[in-house]
Amino acid sequence: QKEVEQDPGPLSVPEGAIVSLNCTYSNSAFQYFMWYRQYSRKGPELLMYTYSSGNKEDGRFTAQVDKSSKYISLFIRDSQPSDSATYLCAMSSGYSSASKIIFGSGTRLSIRP
Amino acid sequence: DADVTQTPRNRITKTGKRIMLECSQTKGHDRMYWYRQDPGLGLRLIYYSFDVKDINKGEISDGYSVSRQAQAKFSLSLESAIPNQTALYFCATSDLIVQYFGAGTRLSVL
Repeated sequence: QKEVEQDPGPLSVPEGAIVSLNCTYSNSAFQYFMWYRQYSRKGPELLMYTYSSGNKEDGRFTAQVDKSSKYISLFIRDSQPSDSATYLCAMSSGYSSASKIIFGSGTRLSIRP
Repeated sequence: DADVTQTPRNRITKTGKRIMLECSQTKGHDRMYWYRQDPGLGLRLIYYSFDVKDINKGEISDGYSVSRQAQAKFSLSLESAIPNQTALYFCATSDLIVQYFGAGTRLSVL
């Protein structure tokens, strides 16, 4: 079993829809949770970063962490064609030399105009 | 200018050849990483370095080697390239947690 599981999609929704992207994980030591966005032929770029449980909002994006269920989500409101990309979740137990960031395999999202 | 620069952006090579991928960063971070990305497998860590004198193997280091020439430079070598090393390679740097990625090198081994 992978430490981090992410539905690969592809997910296709109409413009303006609310998008929900999710990851599950098995390591209860994870404390730092991130979402990266990767456009075609580009490197991943950080979208959201949260520590421990709870919600974090940034414009149209909301990141949610439920540590009791080992489940994280990214919500995109009023989705735009420019949101079409692959979204990768990532998580880590800390920043010591023994901790590494584990990435999900990514969900490919397409927003239809 | 990009914070993390990878060269070359694309490379085609033949089985058995030695090749080097280079990475430089202007973020001033001590930590640097090399990943490969394959469809359906996500990002897998090859090597990482937390400072100039520190080099560590990741989950898929076999067939690869690295050199940390300076705080800002971290290169990845394939000693004898094989076709299953065909992939997209990313270099990244981080302060503690958040990683900043280069644009990637698309490598094809024929």
